[in-house]
Amino acid sequence: GAGVSQSPSNKVTEKGKDVELRCDPISGHTALYWYRQSLGQGLEFLIYFQGNSAPDKSGLPSDRFSAERTGGSVSTLTIQRTQQEDSAVYLCASSSPAQGAGSPLHFGNGTRLTVT
Amino acid sequence: DQQVKQNSPSLSVQEGRISILNCDYTNSMFDYFLWYKKYPAEGPTFLISISSIKDKNEDGRFTVFLNKSAKHLSLHIVPSQPGDSAVYFCAARTDSWGKFQFGAGTQVVVTP
Repeated sequence: GAGVSQSPSNKVTEKGKDVELRCDPISGHTALYWYRQSLGQGLEFLIYFQGNSAPDKSGLPSDRFSAERTGGSVSTLTIQRTQQEDSAVYLCASSSPAQGAGSPLHFGNGTRLTVT
Repeated sequence: DQQVKQNSPSLSVQEGRISILNCDYTNSMFDYFLWYKKYPAEGPTFLISISSIKDKNEDGRFTVFLNKSAKHLSLHIVPSQPGDSAVYFCAARTDSWGKFQFGAGTQVVVTP
């Protein structure tokens, strides 16, 4: 079946511009996560959505970052007034709580964001 | 606050030998641990998991060991194959829904 889909796969933007990154999770997965991986670093948690509950935004690095999830499916991560330190690979993942708390995250291939 | 640590950034192993990857954690509330493998330009893919009620889980060439008292887990790959060359991440979560904490990753290179 279809996996997690992210678009665009690559994005180059100028410093100060806004960008939107999109994630289509696996159908039926109610949990959706955003992580980012900066060059040479591990995966940094950004935000987590679970069903209709309030999202866990504890990982968002600044108020320039926001995310929404419409209709419990597609999610958009928005970065306003991009800075060079925002350059990273942004990874989206989904999972199914029906499989238990230990169920794995299924990741997309990420969006590589480069801020020039 | 890095609660999950992979202290070896890289590991080189000969084809056919055992690869041992290590992961340490500080949060005693973690109950689920997972290993992921990541190739360049791809998202991480799930390899194997273990819950805190077990000390070992095996799946083919991959075995994960958990030592709760030492807050340490390891991944053994036997025998190592060239296709195993990738970055490996360990991840942990408490027994409630929420984020997984990831380690910084270990780059494994399997040489012929």
